[in-house]
Amino acid sequence: GAVVSQHPSWVICKSGTSVKIECRSLDFQATTMFWYRQFPKQSLMLMATSNEGSKATYEQGVEKDKFLINHASLTLSTLTVTSAHPEDSSFYICSARVPGGAGNEQFFGPGTRLTVL
Amino acid sequence: AQSVAQPEDQVNVAEGNPLTVKCTYSVSGNPYLFWYVQYPNRGLQFLLKYITGDNLVKGSYGFEAEFNKSQTSFHLKKPSALVSDSALYFCAVSPRTGNTPLVFGKGTRLSVIA
Repeated sequence: GAVVSQHPSWVICKSGTSVKIECRSLDFQATTMFWYRQFPKQSLMLMATSNEGSKATYEQGVEKDKFLINHASLTLSTLTVTSAHPEDSSFYICSARVPGGAGNEQFFGPGTRLTVL
Repeated sequence: AQSVAQPEDQVNVAEGNPLTVKCTYSVSGNPYLFWYVQYPNRGLQFLLKYITGDNLVKGSYGFEAEFNKSQTSFHLKKPSALVSDSALYFCAVSPRTGNTPLVFGKGTRLSVIA
């Protein structure tokens, strides 16, 4: 099946620094990837839709200058949390959709745990 | 607007007993429906999906779900629960048209007690 990887799996950083999270589709090309954020014991909150070769579409309330998304190739999307603060600490999950796949199924990465001190 | 409701935050069941995790949805037209499972500090693992055809869908690890159009439900079931089934379960929906992302329910935590 389709495999999506994320790197790093966890990261701890100081407040004010920027952190980049990579999302890769390993065995398929993904024109569309999605970035979610999950707080403890809560559901996934869609942050943005990442489209290869074009600007990301952000959900209402998500700061695009805070969460920079780049989808430079058909297998890689990156999320950069700029000037991170403790309230940005969360579990970030990406997913990708197989083009032409049946049922709009999304394949999820293993997630990245971000802790901002 | 599409939405998914998982009315139970927590479901407790004894090992060996049948389990049900409830899901209802609201979406225009006929939807695609999904169940995912999440273990601690892990991403989501696909369990099963309904696209078309038989209303009873069989998935991974012995789980199944039944699409009920009249009740707009897609409850997840398993005949005999295992302790290892303890996890967080998410129901998700997608309309058939467009490239919109899945919309998730809030999740239901399943605890299977030995």
